[in-house]
Amino acid sequence: GNSVTQMEGPVTLSEEAFLTINCTYTATGYPSLFWYVQYPGEGLQLLLKATKADDKGSNKGFEATYRKETTSFHLEKGSVQVSDSAVYFCALAPFGNEKLTFGTGTRLTIIP
Amino acid sequence: GAVVSQHPSRVICKSGTSVKIECRSLDFQATTMFWYRQFPKQSLMLMATSNEGSKATYEQGVEKDKFLINHASLTLSTLTVTSAHPEDSSFYICSARIAVAGLGTGELFFGEGSRLTVL
Repeated sequence: GNSVTQMEGPVTLSEEAFLTINCTYTATGYPSLFWYVQYPGEGLQLLLKATKADDKGSNKGFEATYRKETTSFHLEKGSVQVSDSAVYFCALAPFGNEKLTFGTGTRLTIIP
Repeated sequence: GAVVSQHPSRVICKSGTSVKIECRSLDFQATTMFWYRQFPKQSLMLMATSNEGSKATYEQGVEKDKFLINHASLTLSTLTVTSAHPEDSSFYICSARIAVAGLGTGELFFGEGSRLTVL
């Protein structure tokens, strides 16, 4: 079956540090890949997505590249801010299917 | 962006009682809503897919009689945990898909979640 494995947290970084949150997946075919973010007290929000190999999703300074050869979709940001503190979820959806499979989430805390 | 609201955000109940959680799409119509459950330090697990005007489709291992889902309108789906027990304590999250004419799938929007604690 489909599964998503992401870096266990919590992750604590200083402001302006470089961020990487690892995500690998197991799926048949060509799934779409997503990163969702959940800020305190809010629902999950789509941060970025990629629908085919070598696609790069980007939003708010975050990037992730769909790497089929390594079945990975690592989230990166060059310089994090305190406002980036949240829980980040990696997820996949099989091609033509809207059912999402989520990773366990990674809590990120940025300190000034 | 679109807003999905869940109510209540927190509920504590006694064992054996039933609890209803509402999921509303506030500014759009949602033909499909999804209900997830999240245990501490675990993934969100899809429980069921709720389609307006028809019966919900449950994932394998989810008890239909335990978790009653009703999607009576294009803006409201409800999850009722019947005869709740401590093992039902969890974080329940709904998501809604905007009905987009002519396209296979629309973006999903998530509620803020409802934490159920059964004593």
